[in-house]
Amino acid sequence: TQLLEQSPQFLSIQEGENLTVYCNSSSVFSSLQWYRQEPGEGPVLLVTVVTGGEVKKLKRLTFQFGDARKDSSLHITAAQPGDTGLYLCAGGDTSGTYKYIFGTGTRLKVLA
Amino acid sequence: DSGVTQTPKHLITATGQRVTLRCSPRSGDLSVYWYQQSLDQGLQFLIQYYNGEERAKGNILERFSAQQFPDLHSELNLSSLELGDSALYFCASSLGLAGGYEQYFGPGTRLTVT
Repeated sequence: TQLLEQSPQFLSIQEGENLTVYCNSSSVFSSLQWYRQEPGEGPVLLVTVVTGGEVKKLKRLTFQFGDARKDSSLHITAAQPGDTGLYLCAGGDTSGTYKYIFGTGTRLKVLA
Repeated sequence: DSGVTQTPKHLITATGQRVTLRCSPRSGDLSVYWYQQSLDQGLQFLIQYYNGEERAKGNILERFSAQQFPDLHSELNLSSLELGDSALYFCASSLGLAGGYEQYFGPGTRLTVT
């Protein structure tokens, strides 16, 4: 069974600090998606990484896919209160089940 | 706006009742996924349909069932409701089967069972 483990599980930081969230697996994924979810709302797709070693930037967010396509990271520079939310990574199950595997989630709170 | 619509937004019902949640995927998407999210929990995958056929099943209870219609909209039926079924239910859609396609989520239906 493919699993995606995220760390840390919880993170509370001050506005302006930098942070990194990790998404790790022992399995290879053809691609990984990152989502942000705010309370009571649906997850919003932030980015998809496809190529091993790929780095994508979305304003203050930097996403990286590991060379072996087993892990990914999300780095936020100068965090703002608007970055508060649940961050989820997800990958398509490559064992033939056609479902997406979701990470355990990282709950981020940025204090003003 | 992801383009995925879900109705109703909120649903309050009593134990033992049956409800139907509806989802319309993004235009052109053939796959629909249903997820359950309890308070402060992660997303639990329930079931997936592709072009009208069931393709993957997660931890879906026997009291729950779903279908995807020829126009590609999907319905999730929850019966004999229990207090523990109170949760957010999300629908997501993608162009194809999991792996190479991005998944887009609807706004969810908040179900409260009293």
